[in-house]
Amino acid sequence: NAGVMQNPRHLVRRRGQEARLRCSPMKGHSHVYWYRQLPEEGLKFMVYLQKENIIDESGMPKERFSAEFPKEGPSILRIQQVVRGDSAAYFCASSPPSGRAPDTQYFGPGTRLTVL
Amino acid sequence: QQPVQSPQAVILREGEDAVINCSSSKALYSVHWYRQKHGEAPIFLMILLKGGEQKGHDKISASFNEKKQQSSLYLTASQLSYSGTYFCGTGGTGTGANNLFFGTGTRLTVIP
Repeated sequence: NAGVMQNPRHLVRRRGQEARLRCSPMKGHSHVYWYRQLPEEGLKFMVYLQKENIIDESGMPKERFSAEFPKEGPSILRIQQVVRGDSAAYFCASSPPSGRAPDTQYFGPGTRLTVL
Repeated sequence: QQPVQSPQAVILREGEDAVINCSSSKALYSVHWYRQKHGEAPIFLMILLKGGEQKGHDKISASFNEKKQQSSLYLTASQLSYSGTYFCGTGGTGTGANNLFFGTGTRLTVIP
């Protein structure tokens, strides 16, 4: 029973390039969450998605960041024209469709993005 | 909206107890506790819901005081494997229920 999968685990980009982070939720989970963690800090909520729907993107920067969770395939967090300040660990979590919030969120191992 | 955790760091000897607190300036509806080891994914410990309940498994338990807008995590007879950073995440209501705000963490080190 595989947990939440994220890839790549480490990603290095130069300023101005695009970063694509992938998250495959646990089997049977239809809710995905993305968080960002800076060194020595807590997790910061970015976005909450269900299949083909963005439920809450209140934590997502207005520019350069986007997220999707298509009907088929993993959820993608996309950062365009990366800057040094985007360097962080990006964690994805998933939860089952319990129908009654709050859901228990299970985290993946994270993608460590380094912008040179 | 970010909850405040205390203490920021604590060092214990094996077998000692610890309490980690999580306080919010806003009304609490749910508190989610996680432990994260360096470079790894946060591991879910437990979730507490509005109602002032207390939960526990093995030697780790937690309480939720709605009036004080506070939750506490209790670790008893600590083991080396308890070392890590403990985070509390607080949830709101409605569409904000799953939008968790995490504290900055409490770093726990258990030494032999």
